[in-house]
Amino acid sequence: DAKTTQPPSMDCAEGRAANLPCNHSTISGNEYVYWYRQIHSQGPQYIIHGLKNNETNEMASLIITEDRKSSTLILPHATLRDTAVYYCIVKNAGGTSYGKLTFGQGTILTVHP
Amino acid sequence: EAQVTQNPRYLITVTGKKLTVTCSQNMNHEYMSWYRQDPGLGLRQIYYSMNVEVTDKGDVPEGYKVSRKEKRNFPLILESPSPNQTSLYFCASSQTGELFFGEGSRLTVL
Repeated sequence: DAKTTQPPSMDCAEGRAANLPCNHSTISGNEYVYWYRQIHSQGPQYIIHGLKNNETNEMASLIITEDRKSSTLILPHATLRDTAVYYCIVKNAGGTSYGKLTFGQGTILTVHP
Repeated sequence: EAQVTQNPRYLITVTGKKLTVTCSQNMNHEYMSWYRQDPGLGLRQIYYSMNVEVTDKGDVPEGYKVSRKEKRNFPLILESPSPNQTSLYFCASSQTGELFFGEGSRLTVL
């Protein structure tokens, strides 16, 4: 699986959009981009994923660049409860497996009043 | 309710005393994996399993064993725990996409 690079920390004001970048310059054509977040020491929680088109769900939006070498997770109206560590990973499409998978250290997002 | 259940959630033990952390999922997922999380090091994969009787090493397998005798269970075994295995452990399962994580097991080895 391709490696990802994320900034170690970011701040955001409550009510504003939080834009979290992720670099995955070695991503291959059949790899999806997945985003997870971890609040305190709870188990990570799935947020969203995409292949090449932009995606939106009730939690967030995912913008993937045309060359697929980077992506941005957007939390449109951040709340204090969105303070968490956000992980970007890539995964092969199809099959049943993540196989060997490294999460890295992610981005610590702090939402302040 | 779809879930991944880990036990125990908290454990304090002593060096050398064998222990097992159980992981069970009720979603009939083929893929399961174990991670440890330490401050400043993120989530590191210990072992993973593609299906019953199929397991493989992750990035930090030393000092750990696993087994996958049935689809729903994937126990993590510490044959002779050492203080450097003090950590927060997570089990996860998946079928084709989203990973489902357990609530974590905080292990302290004295």
